[in-house]
Amino acid sequence: AQTVTQSQPEMSVQEAETVTLSCTYDTSESDYYLFWYKQPPSRQMILVIRQEAYKQQNATENRFSVNFQKAAKSFSLKISDSQLGDAAMYFCAYDNFGNEKLTFGTGTRLTIIP
Amino acid sequence: SQTIHQWPATLVQPVGSPLSLECTVEGTSNPNLYWYRQAAGRGLQLLFYSVGIGQISSEVPQNLSASRPQDRQFILSSKKLLLSDSGFYLCAWRRGQDEKLFFGSGTQLSVL
Repeated sequence: AQTVTQSQPEMSVQEAETVTLSCTYDTSESDYYLFWYKQPPSRQMILVIRQEAYKQQNATENRFSVNFQKAAKSFSLKISDSQLGDAAMYFCAYDNFGNEKLTFGTGTRLTIIP
Repeated sequence: SQTIHQWPATLVQPVGSPLSLECTVEGTSNPNLYWYRQAAGRGLQLLFYSVGIGQISSEVPQNLSASRPQDRQFILSSKKLLLSDSGFYLCAWRRGQDEKLFFGSGTQLSVL
């Protein structure tokens, strides 16, 4: 079974600085998708970014980018120019190609220091 | 555009009482539907998913059940709630395999 590990339960960053959240996963598959979801205090789960494993290019969405290292099974999220609204729980998720369900990590709570 | 509705937002129930949480999706047909539970400060645990009407897959043996009576309706139920059923329940949908997952706003269930 696939597993997703987020080894940083909590992180903090100064406003306007850059922070990187770590995620590793375990799989024997070659085709899959990886996601980062954000859960702010409202508890609404919001998709931040999606990466297809067959793409070598790292996905980016404005201030959010990933560092996808397929051989190392690593999928980190970099947030540039951190803003107060970025404060949230961040979940990494794995989706095996052709599978019906996503596997989530345990999350990293990100605090933004004004 | 597609929207997902989940209700109620909060619910306080006594131990041993029944439960019914409802989730509906608008603007799409034949979605894959999911129920997740999130314990306080924890990650998401997949409870049930459905790829079609009447088709329910259970991930974790528990005191809960799910049903899909209509294409875009997904219901989470219990006949008798336990204290351990407390948590934040999230409904989610996506068009199919390998697609993005979209979440409802969640239900905070407190069993007392």
